[in-house]
Amino acid sequence: EPEVTQTPSHQVTQMGQEVILRCVPISNHLYFYWYRQILGQKVEFLVSFYNNEISEKSEIFDDQFSVERPDGSNFTLKIRSTKLEDSAMYFCASSEVAGVPSYEQYFGPGTRLTVT
Amino acid sequence: QKEVEQNSGPLSVPEGAIASLNCTYSDRVSQSFFWYRQYSGKSPELIMSIYSNGDKEDGRFTAQLNKASQYVSLLIRDSQPSDSATYLCATLNQAGTALIFGKGTTLSVSS
Repeated sequence: EPEVTQTPSHQVTQMGQEVILRCVPISNHLYFYWYRQILGQKVEFLVSFYNNEISEKSEIFDDQFSVERPDGSNFTLKIRSTKLEDSAMYFCASSEVAGVPSYEQYFGPGTRLTVT
Repeated sequence: QKEVEQNSGPLSVPEGAIASLNCTYSDRVSQSFFWYRQYSGKSPELIMSIYSNGDKEDGRFTAQLNKASQYVSLLIRDSQPSDSATYLCATLNQAGTALIFGKGTTLSVSS
């Protein structure tokens, strides 16, 4: 069964450093998403991406964050100048379609980001 | 701003019992609802989606939607210890491009 994959599974970085989280969405899916979950809190939407551009972003997704689809399979989240409060699980998700009631999003296993 | 509310639990049921998980939402125009299961330290796993009023059954799981009451529920029949997890209720944002999650209800099934 096709699945979303993410690398690395755990990333430790120092405050102020830049990190890139990588995702390979399900191959026939057209919409890609990043979510994050701070320990003990709810899953929060960051950004959605379609046709090589951002379709929607949340208030969390400020200038510190960027996304890119550098090739036909990878989807990346870059976090610049990391802060302690960026420590969280980051989930990538993908869906075949969006904007219609019947679409479903499938999540990858996540990357645990620890900022020290 | 859409909100999804869930009782955080824990909800404790014995093995073989029916577990009932509930969710309310604030935006009357919401159309799509999803139940995800999340084991500790893992990612959300889609269990059920429901878009129409009434019941939708898939194996041991039944999702129920009541749009007039803005209420969604998930029933798990013949609960197993492996069902012990946090169950997340979610709906779509206005544009249909992002999921809005509740905090989740922790279910504990004892053998």
